[in-house]
Amino acid sequence: AQTVTQSQPEMSVQEAETVTLSCTYDTSESDYYLFWYKQPPSRQMILVIRQEAYKQQNATENRFSVNFQKAAKSFSLKISDSQLGDAAMYFCAYTGNTPLVFGKGTRLSVIA
Amino acid sequence: EAGVAQSPRYKIIEKRQSVAFWCNPISGHATLYWYQQILGQGPKLLIQFQNNGVVDDSQLPKDRFSAERLKGVDSTLKIQPAKLEDSAVYLCASSLTSGISYEQYFGPGTRLTVT
Repeated sequence: AQTVTQSQPEMSVQEAETVTLSCTYDTSESDYYLFWYKQPPSRQMILVIRQEAYKQQNATENRFSVNFQKAAKSFSLKISDSQLGDAAMYFCAYTGNTPLVFGKGTRLSVIA
Repeated sequence: EAGVAQSPRYKIIEKRQSVAFWCNPISGHATLYWYQQILGQGPKLLIQFQNNGVVDDSQLPKDRFSAERLKGVDSTLKIQPAKLEDSAVYLCASSLTSGISYEQYFGPGTRLTVT
């Protein structure tokens, strides 16, 4: 079964600095998608960025970018120029021939 | 475009009582999902509908949980009878159709507390 592991339960970053959240996954599938979701205290899951496994180029969305290492099964999220509004739970998720599988999340605090 | 709507936002019940949650997906979205998110964990899929048919309910505790999407639009998730371990946030999501390339849009969730 596919698994997603987030080894950092909590992270903190100074406002305007850069932070990287880690995620590893386990799969035997060749075609899949990886996602980072943000969940603020309002509880609504918001898609931050997604990566298609067959694309070698790392996805980028404004201040958010990923480092996708397919061979190592690693998918980290980099947040540049961190803002107070970035404070939230961040979940890494995987889907292939199975429903979305989420990691346990990383709580990100942003310090003013 | 209106997002995924869920109600109620909060619910407190005693164990062995029953409870129902409602979800209205984004208009035109054929696929609807119910997730359970226990505190400190990521969401776990309970059931997936494609229109009014069930695609995947392998992780739904069918002895106490039931869900329906009769007209292929709104959906209800019911728990009867509730147990303490059912305390969680129940998230509804929808996507245009099934398939790994289609983004899921999530509702605000219902926080259930079973005492």
